[in-house]
Amino acid sequence: QKEVEQDPGPLSVPEGAIVSLNCTYSNSAFQYFMWYRQYSRKGPELLMYTYSSGNKEDGRFTAQVDKSSKYISLFIRDSQPSDSATYLCAMSEANFGNEKLTFGTGTRLTIIP
Amino acid sequence: DAGVIQSPRHEVTEMGQEVTLRCKPISGHDYLFWYRQTMMRGLELLIYFNNNVPIDDSGMPEDRFSAKMPNASFSTLKIQPSEPRDSAVYFCASTGMLGGEQFFGPGTRLTVL
Repeated sequence: QKEVEQDPGPLSVPEGAIVSLNCTYSNSAFQYFMWYRQYSRKGPELLMYTYSSGNKEDGRFTAQVDKSSKYISLFIRDSQPSDSATYLCAMSEANFGNEKLTFGTGTRLTIIP
Repeated sequence: DAGVIQSPRHEVTEMGQEVTLRCKPISGHDYLFWYRQTMMRGLELLIYFNNNVPIDDSGMPEDRFSAKMPNASFSTLKIQPSEPRDSAVYFCASTGMLGGEQFFGPGTRLTVL
């Protein structure tokens, strides 16, 4: 079993819909939780990060972490065609960024105009 | 800053040949990471350096893979001999001493025939 599991999709939704992306994990030592966005033929870019449990909101994006269930989510409100990309969850134990990140396999999302 | 620079962007080679991938991190960044991305396994960390010293190479798949960082502005990932199962996109990423976002390069798409 992988340390981080993510539904690969693909996921297609109409423009304006709410999108929910999820990951589960098995390593209880994970403390930092990140979402990276990767456009086709590009490198991943950090979208959001959270520390420990809780919610974090940034514009149309909300990240949620439930450490008791080992479950994280990313919600996208009022989805736009420009949100079409692959979304990767990532996690680390003790530090944010300057140590090993464990990634999910990514969910490919398409927003249909 | 130009961001993380990788070369070549595409490499096609035949089984048994030596392949060298190159990376120039963002100036001033102390950490450099090499990742491999495939459809089946997603994004996996191969090795990372701090101040040019390898910190964790547990993700290097086998002895055919080696990585060096002779100075703060240059790193190489070498595969010798290459095999078809090495076909993947290889990413280099860097971040600063205090951590934070890992900045990814555009990747090298490697095809081994």
